[in-house]
This record gives sequence, C-alpha cells and structure tokens, in this order.
Amino acid sequence: ETGVTQSPTHLIKTRGQQVTLRCSSQSGHNTVSWYQQALGQGPQFIFQYYREEENGRGNFPPRFSGLQFPNYSSELNVNALELDDSALYLCASSLGGTSGYQETQYFGPGTRLLVL
Amino acid sequence: DQQVKQNSPSLSVQEGRISILNCDYTNSMFDYFLWYKKYPAEGPTFLISISSIKDKNEDGRFTVFLNKSAKHLSLHIVPSQPGDSAVYFCAASSYGGGTASKLTFGTGTRLQVTL
Repeated sequence: ETGVTQSPTHLIKTRGQQVTLRCSSQSGHNTVSWYQQALGQGPQFIFQYYREEENGRGNFPPRFSGLQFPNYSSELNVNALELDDSALYLCASSLGGTSGYQETQYFGPGTRLLVL
Repeated sequence: DQQVKQNSPSLSVQEGRISILNCDYTNSMFDYFLWYKKYPAEGPTFLISISSIKDKNEDGRFTVFLNKSAKHLSLHIVPSQPGDSAVYFCAASSYGGGTASKLTFGTGTRLQVTL
C-alpha cells in the first residue's frame, strides 16, 4: 500500500509569483485535504476535495485554489504569493463517501515553501 | 478563536514513566478526536483516535481518554520511550456526513523523553 506523497519537498519563490504543489493520495482513498502549517502553529485547513469537487474550504483567500484529478491526486495552487505564505503545506488523504462514520486522515511529508 | 487548545507547549518525561498530554476544546459539535505525532521535516503521523460515543480507546502503549462534559481529552503513553520524543498534535472534527470533515488542530506539545 502506497502512502501519501507530495512534491516538491522544498520550494523557494519570490513575492508575487505563483506556485503549484502536488499530492498523491494513499491507495484506495478518494478524498484529499490541504493544510497550511506556519512555524510554531498547528496545521490550518485550506480546503478539501472529494471526487474532483471542492468539499469545504477554510478561511483562505481565493488566490488559494485546487484541483483533484480522476486518479484522486491533487494540486494546490497559490497565486500572487505573499511573504506570509511561507509555511509547510500538508496534504492528507482519506476514504470519504458512504462509510457513515469519521475517516482518519493520513498525511504526506509536506512541501516547505519559502517566499522571499 | 482557538477551538482546540494544547496549553502545555512542552513536556519532559523520564524513560519508562507515563507521559500525559492534554487537550481542551470549545466546540461542542466536535465528535471525533485524533492524536498525531510529528517529527521535524516529516508530516504528522496518525497515532490514535476516539469517537465521542466512547470515553476511552487503547492501542498498545497509547490510550486516549475523552471527557465530554469537560471538553477535555488526554493521551497517555506508558511506558514512555526515547523514540516517542516528538511534537504531539491534538485534532478534532465534526462529522458532516458522507465525507471526511476538516480537522481543527491544537498548537502542539513537544514531548521529550529523557534517559
């Protein structure tokens, strides 16, 4: 069973640029959630994708957008990068659907983004 | 508004003793709680979870206790081992039906297990 993978591991961008982060979900999982973790803080929910549709969004501006593909992998896009976007970006996958109970989310190793 | 709070930023415990990590929450809609462990430069690793219909869940050395009336949960690690040294995050969610709900995390407690 393959776990959650993310690419790239590290990235340096300058203010105003755009960035795309990628995530491959764990085998058998159809739901991907993205989180931002600033230094010294817990992860903050950005949004979730279920079967290629956005399924919930946290308190992040529209310049944070995403996609989920038919194979359930996902992308997080951030436009017009700001210095405060520097953080660890985490992807988590889970099996959503008609299970009728809470599903545990499993995290990837993260992408560390530095905006200069 | 911090809905999940871990008031102890750090904890030091001797090897072999019990580690107790605490977490408080304010949102009464939360019905599923999880603990994750995080090493530097890695993503959070799932440890153990508990549904609000239970008050205790055990998995090997790890036990989570939930006190719904106090909106408090704790993670007990017995016996503590040096490899347990990491940052521990408490997370909570409310079941929205159909798909996994977002997790709300605390700020973490750094556990150091000393020899």
